[in-house]
Amino acid sequence: KNQVEQSPQSLIILEGKNCTLQCNYTVSPFSNLRWYKQDTGRGPVSLTIMTFSENTKSNGRYTATLDADTKQSSLHITASQLSDSASYICVVSARGSQGNLIFGKGTKLSVKP
Amino acid sequence: DGGITQSPKYLFRKEGQNVTLSCEQNLNHDAMYWYRQDPGQGLRLIYYSQIVNDFQKGDIAEGYSVSREKKESFPLTVTSAQKNPTAFYLCASSPVLAEYNEQFFGPGTRLTVL
Repeated sequence: KNQVEQSPQSLIILEGKNCTLQCNYTVSPFSNLRWYKQDTGRGPVSLTIMTFSENTKSNGRYTATLDADTKQSSLHITASQLSDSASYICVVSARGSQGNLIFGKGTKLSVKP
Repeated sequence: DGGITQSPKYLFRKEGQNVTLSCEQNLNHDAMYWYRQDPGQGLRLIYYSQIVNDFQKGDIAEGYSVSREKKESFPLTVTSAQKNPTAFYLCASSPVLAEYNEQFFGPGTRLTVL
């Protein structure tokens, strides 16, 4: 069964600190993996999309890694800001799926001053 | 929110009533999607459409209906047959229906059944 598991469920960090969010998936055959940021009560916004051949992609203070062999991805946030408080969702697409995405439940990040 | 609008932002419905959620995009995208989000759950696909006058059921289509009469519009009707309609509904679009295309999401509609 195609699944995406994220950890931790929630995380509290102090402003300025770094953090890493984890994503494990069992989707096969794999096409690509995305990380989205979702502010409370808003729609998700794409941070990165990685294909099989990419193992690192950055978007400002966000860096995603992908290990397609172990089917794991991580999202590293550097020098966190209060505005980083949000849910971060890992999403995987299977090859031939015609846009049907498999969503993780998200990690809720709270950045405190 | 990338040129996708959803209305209304909040919607209240009495049990037994049908209600229609609006989704409009000005991105000239062919593909559009409707998702449902419940607390602590991942997004689940309700319906999707890859072209005008064509749409397909997603994983949880029961109790919902859609239409795609115009490229820019993909309204979702939540019918009285949907047993637990209270949720956050998200509309998305992508250039074409393909696994590698980024999906752009609207701001969402929160539906509450009273």
